[in-house]
Amino acid sequence: AQRVTQPEKLLSVFKGAPVELKCNYSYSGSPELFWYVQYSRQRLQLLLRHISRESIKGFTADLNKGETSFHLKKPFAQEEDSAMYYCAPDYGNNRLAFGKGNQVVVIP
Amino acid sequence: KAGVTQTPRYLIKTRGQQVTLSCSPISGHRSVSWYQQTPGQGLQFLFEYFSETQRNKGNFPGRFSGRQFSNSRSEMNVSTLELGDSALYLCASSLEIEGLLYFGPGTRLLVL
Repeated sequence: AQRVTQPEKLLSVFKGAPVELKCNYSYSGSPELFWYVQYSRQRLQLLLRHISRESIKGFTADLNKGETSFHLKKPFAQEEDSAMYYCAPDYGNNRLAFGKGNQVVVIP
Repeated sequence: KAGVTQTPRYLIKTRGQQVTLSCSPISGHRSVSWYQQTPGQGLQFLFEYFSETQRNKGNFPGRFSGRQFSNSRSEMNVSTLELGDSALYLCASSLEIEGLLYFGPGTRLLVL
């Protein structure tokens, strides 16, 4: 079974501080990797995907195939980054295995 | 473009009953996936349909079933409801075969 581990359930950071969300996934082929985000009272939505190698809203994610990790980082957190973040490998045919999520609270 | 819509948004049922949830994908999207979200288990994959064919199924009992129509709209059905089926059921559509998902607002089901 595919497993996704996001170890820190709640992460509180001060505005302007760096934020890093860790994600480790179980290896099963070469899944495409995503980070999804849910802001308060909004739908779950894509934040970024590994294949596009973009920086979205200042966030980047580094894939380490050896460690099967896909950690999400932002150098300077903003208040609008407060949200729930989910790491989600896609094991094929849109079968995403979501982690339990990280609640990020940015303190002004 | 209109987003993914789900109906109903809220539902209360009693144990033993059955329920049907509906999902309308974004126009042009042929893939529809269903996920169950609970506080304890998080988001879990139920199944995925593409062009009316179920391509993938998660680890849920046979009481959970679904289908997709020729217009890509999808329904999921849960028979013989149990208390543990109380959850938020999310539907997501996708344009590509293995691409990013666009989620609906969810249907919140409460089983009493």
